[in-house]
Amino acid sequence: ETGVTQSPTHLIKTRGQQVTLRCSSQSGHNTVSWYQQALGQGPQFIFQYYREEENGRGNFPPRFSGLQFPNYSSELNVNALELDDSALYLCASSLDGSPTDTQYFGPGTRLTVL
Amino acid sequence: GNSVTQMEGPVTLSEEAFLTINCTYTATGYPSLFWYVQYPGEGLQLLLKATKADDKGSNKGFEATYRKETTSFHLEKGSVQVSDSAVYFCALFTQGGSEKLVFGKGTKLTVNP
Repeated sequence: ETGVTQSPTHLIKTRGQQVTLRCSSQSGHNTVSWYQQALGQGPQFIFQYYREEENGRGNFPPRFSGLQFPNYSSELNVNALELDDSALYLCASSLDGSPTDTQYFGPGTRLTVL
Repeated sequence: GNSVTQMEGPVTLSEEAFLTINCTYTATGYPSLFWYVQYPGEGLQLLLKATKADDKGSNKGFEATYRKETTSFHLEKGSVQVSDSAVYFCALFTQGGSEKLVFGKGTKLTVNP
């Protein structure tokens, strides 16, 4: 049990819609990262937030955006959904996001875009 | 850019067999290296890590040594159990780029009784 929770567990949307995924980090963890895991692949880094500011971004278009709140919760928003956005979305929290820091992952949200 | 290449799966072993899953990396700077495990129906869990060259990470009988000269971080276990059946991901983390934690594609391990 990592103490990181995500909601919802599963979600079905249609192409062109918008979606918001939520994550609750471990208390005291200042950093949250979001990853996209396509079926049969390793997680791909989307972006990281440190104390409510974006602190790094992977190779994802601007329609992927995020927010981090002072209460250790965060959101991933995806606009104009495409079929290829179907994946497991993982959030991970850590103390300060440094290379030696351990990231604790939530169970993920399975998004299906039809 | 930073990348991780790990052994293609799936890997099927009998209980008590020796396990090796190969992992090599390409990175700028000096990355930290990780092995994560994903059990069926569960999220990713950190298995072990090493933060500098020649460090050995170990946990639950698994070991991996950070080899800078061969840019490798191979995962080993002397005697696998059925409960070790899972997908194993090698990953690196470097502060040098924007990519943060970079994962390999994963290796599925099945251990038969």
